[in-house]
Amino acid sequence: DIQMTQSPSSLSASVGDRVTITCRASQSISSYLNWYQQKPGKAPKLLIYAASSLQRGVPSRFSGSGSGTEFILTISSLQPEDFAIYHCQQSNSAPYTFGQGTKLEIK
Amino acid sequence: QLQLQESGPGLVKPSETLSLTCTVSGGSITSSSYYWGWIRQPPGKGLEWIGSVYFSGTTDYNPSLKSRVTIFVDTSKNQFSLKLSSVTAADTAVYYCARHSYPLFYMDVWGKGTTVTVSS
Repeated sequence: DIQMTQSPSSLSASVGDRVTITCRASQSISSYLNWYQQKPGKAPKLLIYAASSLQRGVPSRFSGSGSGTEFILTISSLQPEDFAIYHCQQSNSAPYTFGQGTKLEIK
Repeated sequence: QLQLQESGPGLVKPSETLSLTCTVSGGSITSSSYYWGWIRQPPGKGLEWIGSVYFSGTTDYNPSLKSRVTIFVDTSKNQFSLKLSSVTAADTAVYYCARHSYPLFYMDVWGKGTTVTVSS
């Protein structure tokens, strides 16, 4: 199985801050990397697919980059509704594995 | 728009079989562009992909669960289902069904999730 490791595991930031979350794969996954946002008690929501493609309806302050084994999710200017847990997921090969999640909290 | 809804018992006894169904509305499960799958999340933990099914019946399972999992589709009802046998407390989780976009296999539509507790 491909192991996905996110860093940091938690992060405190303020409204308006620029935030980056890193996801590393245990082997190359090309651009088969997806990002999800999950709020308490809710299902995950797709933000970014194929490393850098913005899902329809997702605000443009979210962006993704990377390829191979290292990927970054960037939120350019944090909004109050962005405080949540962020998950990366590789879809290069089954089983489709997720990172452990990054909890983004209000400072 | 497309919606997915999980249904099934919220409590299952140890050693028994967990059975859940996902009903797809607002679209057809026979679309060639999608697989349909299950993901679970134990309390306070991360997401685990369980497996997926194509409308033709082709399946793919997580090897860690493969000996206990069956996922199948009922196109006449626009539903797909999960069976997980010989459950233990470690199978207690929120279970989500989700549409998997083919061939990139990202999960773009999710059900709200259903909590399944394994306890006697």
